[in-house]
Amino acid sequence: ETGVTQTPRHLVMGMTNKKSLKCEQHLGHNAMYWYKQSAKKPLELMFVYNFKEQTENNSVPSRFSPECPNSSHLFLHLHTLQPEDSALYLCASSQERVGGKGYTFGSGTRLTVV
Amino acid sequence: QKEVEQDPGPLSVPEGAIVSLNCTYSNSAFQYFMWYRQYSRKGPELLMYTYSSGNKEDGRFTAQVDKSSKYISLFIRDSQPSDSATYLCAMMDSSYKLIFGSGTRLLVRP
Repeated sequence: ETGVTQTPRHLVMGMTNKKSLKCEQHLGHNAMYWYKQSAKKPLELMFVYNFKEQTENNSVPSRFSPECPNSSHLFLHLHTLQPEDSALYLCASSQERVGGKGYTFGSGTRLTVV
Repeated sequence: QKEVEQDPGPLSVPEGAIVSLNCTYSNSAFQYFMWYRQYSRKGPELLMYTYSSGNKEDGRFTAQVDKSSKYISLFIRDSQPSDSATYLCAMMDSSYKLIFGSGTRLLVRP
């Protein structure tokens, strides 16, 4: 375990379902991130939270809704998704504004939209 | 043009070979350079990081940054089958946002 835990590991959902992804970090980090990883594409940054405040939303469709109740937990709420949203969703955390050491990632949630 | 370019591979080498993985980038503001390794069904894990130009060595791994050419490399000596994974380069500017390459899949054959 890296210190960043994501649940569930796998999720299959229909286009009309509502589900949530959960991320928890025990590293004392102040910043948390959601990334989308699709085959043969770079990781795409979706959302950034610093000290529980959302500081970045990279033009993500509104069918993805993040929530950060505290600096240790991050959720991604999903509703009316499309098949092209199938991907690996990765959560990461870091010390805010500390360069060089990068981010610590969880193992991801493999999402399949049918 | 993508900010970070990386050959997706796959790159297949025999055990014991020296592996060279590379990325080019276009943003001259990048200051921190990282290599992540990602095994199948796992998230990326930080392997090496460097600040600005130069070399950094850690065991069998050497990271090299040439800011004048906007080119970074990761060398793996005496490669092992356990090194088989996808290697992602990543870069960060003063805004501390991490930008990734698309990853190179490496296969080390026993």
